[in-house]
Amino acid sequence: ETGVTQTPRHLVMGMTNKKSLKCEQHLGHNAMYWYKQSAKKPLELMFVYNFKEQTENNSVPSRFSPECPNSSHLFLHLHTLQPEDSALYLCASSQALIVGGDNEQFFGPGTRLTVL
Amino acid sequence: AQSVTQLGSHVSVSEGALVLLRCNYSSSVPPYLFWYVQYPNQGLQLLLKYTTGATLVKGINGFEAEFKKSETSFHLTKPSAHMSDAAEYFCAVSEFGGSYIPTFGRGTSLIVHP
Repeated sequence: ETGVTQTPRHLVMGMTNKKSLKCEQHLGHNAMYWYKQSAKKPLELMFVYNFKEQTENNSVPSRFSPECPNSSHLFLHLHTLQPEDSALYLCASSQALIVGGDNEQFFGPGTRLTVL
Repeated sequence: AQSVTQLGSHVSVSEGALVLLRCNYSSSVPPYLFWYVQYPNQGLQLLLKYTTGATLVKGINGFEAEFKKSETSFHLTKPSAHMSDAAEYFCAVSEFGGSYIPTFGRGTSLIVHP
């Protein structure tokens, strides 16, 4: 595997289910990100981790719970979601937290989440 | 604070025609500017970026963009569209010395007709 991988690619869940999204990066990066992508809306930054420490929580509801056990893995635990949470969830990584110059973000293919 | 406006949620061109996707930004400090492309069922891929130096930036797949500070614009162009260019395009800005994580626009869908 190379780059940034995400599993599962598709997920359908009921409002009372608990599920987890997984992201893994094989790039040796230190920063990892969760984004929510809804149709025709800007990408919404959810969480940022740098060297396994959370540095950003962009006012995300507590039904979304991130976990970063090491710099290569990032999880998003989901619990009692709402239908409006249906979206594409993208994971990204970068070598360092400051995006620009020679430091760029690499994105995974996303998990398409549908909440019934 | 930084923000990005992409004019036009959809742009339709014929194969072989000029592609122009518009992006305007606001930033209180010198910006880093990015264009990303997203093909169906894939994540975002960096097309090109402006950091410092030359204002005309060349990217992959024949795309280029010009940073115009006076117009706060970073429009994306390609001289001749190909069917394979059909995708969603996102402009993003991050601020040198400011908010270091890019802010993204809403995206523009490029439709290429044969």
